[in-house]
Amino acid sequence: NAGVTQTPKFRVLKTGQSMTLLCAQDMNHEYMYWYRQDPGMGLRLIHYSVGEGTTAKGEVPDGYNVSRLKKQNFLLGLESAAPSQTSVYFCASKPLGQGGNQPQHFGDGTRLSIL
Amino acid sequence: QQQVKQSPQSLIVQKGGISIINCAYENTAFDYFPWYQQFPGKGPALLIAIRPDVSEKKEGRFTISFNKSAKQFSLHIMDSQPGDSATYFCAASLGSSNTGKLIFGQGTTLQVKP
Repeated sequence: NAGVTQTPKFRVLKTGQSMTLLCAQDMNHEYMYWYRQDPGMGLRLIHYSVGEGTTAKGEVPDGYNVSRLKKQNFLLGLESAAPSQTSVYFCASKPLGQGGNQPQHFGDGTRLSIL
Repeated sequence: QQQVKQSPQSLIVQKGGISIINCAYENTAFDYFPWYQQFPGKGPALLIAIRPDVSEKKEGRFTISFNKSAKQFSLHIMDSQPGDSATYFCAASLGSSNTGKLIFGQGTTLQVKP
């Protein structure tokens, strides 16, 4: 049981390049989330999904797109990377039931640097 | 109104001491307050959580104190150990919502000296 798996773990991009971050969970969770973590700013929600085929914007969605074509996968895309998107990205999933009262399960992050 | 403010940003405690981290929120509709613990190179993991209908919750050496009227809650780590050295995040959410979204505080880096 791997939980939440993020790939890649590290990546360096040049400004203007595109890439996709993959999140996979094997817990049959309905909800999935993408966060970015920056020093002194905590975890900020980028996009989230409440089920297969659905996505919604979070707190800081600009410059990112997401897709949830399969229940177990949640993809985060950067169409034209900018230095301001240098960050550590975390994916999380949560089971259905009692709204926010179930814990979110996090992956170990993707460290992304944009030069 | 969606913010959660956390302090201090960093904390150094001697082994065996008490670590205290504070959080404040504004949205009175929040009804679920978890704390997450994060070790270097790892993702956050749920440590302990509380609902506003109780003023305190204890799990082992970890205690959440909740003050609904002041809109504040805090994490107390008793008998702090070097293994507790990590970053701690408070969070808040609308437990009754159908999104499960969490609003996180800014994080506190705790160092417990042996």
